[in-house]
Amino acid sequence: QKEVEQNSGPLSVPEGAIASLNCTYSDRGSQSFFWYRQYSGKSPELIMSIYSNGDKEDGRFTAQLNKASQYVSLLIRDSQPSDSATYLCAVNRGRRALTFGSGTRLQVQP
Amino acid sequence: EAGVVQSPRYKIIEKKQPVAFWCNPISGHNTLYWYRQNLGQGPELLIRYENEEAVDDSQLPKDRFSAERLKGVDSTLKIQPAELGDSAVYLCASSLVAGTREQFFGPGTRLTVL
Repeated sequence: QKEVEQNSGPLSVPEGAIASLNCTYSDRGSQSFFWYRQYSGKSPELIMSIYSNGDKEDGRFTAQLNKASQYVSLLIRDSQPSDSATYLCAVNRGRRALTFGSGTRLQVQP
Repeated sequence: EAGVVQSPRYKIIEKKQPVAFWCNPISGHNTLYWYRQNLGQGPELLIRYENEEAVDDSQLPKDRFSAERLKGVDSTLKIQPAELGDSAVYLCASSLVAGTREQFFGPGTRLTVL
């Protein structure tokens, strides 16, 4: 079992729809959770961080965390073609480095 | 504020040759990370520095990889000799403190070993 699991996709949504990206993790001691966006040929760009159970909203993005279920999600409202990218879920514990999933490729169809 | 700087951006070498990558973190960031990202995968940690101390190098293939962070600022990652399987993107990241705070990535170095 991988430490951080993501569906590789591609997840295809029409422009203007809500894209829902999911991630599960195996380490119950994980404390910090991040979503990175990575365009093809570029490096990961941090878009959301979440540290406690519940929802955190930032513009069109909402991160959701459920530690009991070991589940993190990212919702993108009003999806745009420019949101087409690979979304990486990352978790860490204590002073450790991030553990990444393999990413979900999102395609937003105009 | 300047981001994480890496050089070179691209490197093509023959197998068995040496190669080095350089990283300058965001000013004031004490923790520096080197990750390797293979195609279709997420980044995987090679080494983590807190100031000038390597505090996690358990995933660094020490027979051929070495790293240093003199004076606790910029860092160099070296591979000698390179193997075909080393072809990947090498990413440097930094954070203000270790652990729970956000990490920011540089543009990466794409290494191709022929």
